[in-house]
Amino acid sequence: NAGVTQTPKFQVLKTGQSMTLQCAQDMNHNSMYWYRQDPGMGLRLIYYSASEGTTDKGEVPNGYNVSRLNKREFSLRLESAAPSQTSVYFCASSEAGSLDGYTFGSGTRLTVV
Amino acid sequence: GIQVEQSPPDLILQEGANSTLRCNFSDSVNNLQWFHQNPWGQLINLFYIPSGTKQNGRLSATTVATERYSLLYISSSQTTDSGVYFCAVPDSNYQLIWGAGTKLIIKP
Repeated sequence: NAGVTQTPKFQVLKTGQSMTLQCAQDMNHNSMYWYRQDPGMGLRLIYYSASEGTTDKGEVPNGYNVSRLNKREFSLRLESAAPSQTSVYFCASSEAGSLDGYTFGSGTRLTVV
Repeated sequence: GIQVEQSPPDLILQEGANSTLRCNFSDSVNNLQWFHQNPWGQLINLFYIPSGTKQNGRLSATTVATERYSLLYISSSQTTDSGVYFCAVPDSNYQLIWGAGTKLIIKP
């Protein structure tokens, strides 16, 4: 199915562990995004990649790193997980400079204990 | 920066009722998006509507850019319409600024 695929769907980490969330899109979109959503809240932008080869910080980048591996893939890494990073993480993609076609993945529910 | 406000924050309706959700934004924009997050957490793109009116089945949206608001109409509500409805507009870096959402509960 066309769209945005995120893996894993669920993950439990111990404090201090590291992990990488994977995201891939097959819509040939230029721009990709990582958001986090805390319970009862809206989405907050962590990092984004306007085009292949570029990445920029969003609203809440601390504790995260990203890699735009190619046009299709955009990964999010937690180097040393903290309980404050317990959240649901969403990847999204869109055409550059447009909201049209903005598409989300199904999310990764991450718990850090 | 641009501020986005949504109202009402919560809405509880009986199945079959109609509803209007509002999104106000503080500065002129040339794009606006409505999203629905269902009770399972999935985010669905509803409308890309920088201006004018669009309809998709029982849902329609109108954006009046000159007056800095957008409305989402849901007619003949069904329980599957429950969830949170977000509007979002781009800032000068073309990153989305999100409203806090309207939580809609449709009772059978």
